Amino acid sequence: KNEVEQSPQNLTAQEGEFITINCSYSVGISALHWLQQHPGGGIVSLFMLSSGKKKHGRLIATINIQEKHSSLHITASHPRDSAVYICAVSIIQGAQKLVFGQGTRLTINP
Amino acid sequence: KAGVTQTPRYLIKTRGQQVTLSCSPISGHRSVSWYQQTPGQGLQFLFEYFSETQRNKGNFPGRFSGRQFSNSRSEMNVSTLELGDSALYLCASSLEGSEAFFGQGTRLTVV
Repeated sequence: KNEVEQSPQNLTAQEGEFITINCSYSVGISALHWLQQHPGGGIVSLFMLSSGKKKHGRLIATINIQEKHSSLHITASHPRDSAVYICAVSIIQGAQKLVFGQGTRLTINP
Repeated sequence: KAGVTQTPRYLIKTRGQQVTLSCSPISGHRSVSWYQQTPGQGLQFLFEYFSETQRNKGNFPGRFSGRQFSNSRSEMNVSTLELGDSALYLCASSLEGSEAFFGQGTRLTVV
């Protein structure tokens, strides 16, 4: 069993829909990261959080440390949000040794 | 502020050869980490360098090595290349304990 599990693996939705991607982890962590990867490979860090909730534009990330679970929400989804979203955890305080989920491929149709 | 720069972007090598990839971090970032991404295994941690010292290492064979220079630039080397080493190699830099900024990656193809 992977230490970081994401669901769903694939998600197709219509423009404007509210999107939720889930991440569960089984190890102790110092932080959780949500990353976005577009075709071509480049990865962008969306959020780094260790508790509570963070919001940036139409993106919201939450984490429940007791339940070892995080969610990434996208409100008013747009075709440009189509990408692979990756959950990753830092397992050592202050270090960048990340353990990754398998990613969620999101497609938003116009 | 310039981002993380990886060179080269694309590389084709023959089995048995060796390869060196370069990563220039964001100015002021002393932590550089390397990752391998393949369709089968996804993203996996290779190693992390901080202030010229390898701080953490992933579960990869000794053919994979790296180093970091005094200006925080980092290189990774893969010797005796195998077909299975074909992958996207990503590096990321960060301030201590903060979010990671990724480069565009080097796509290595071993033939």
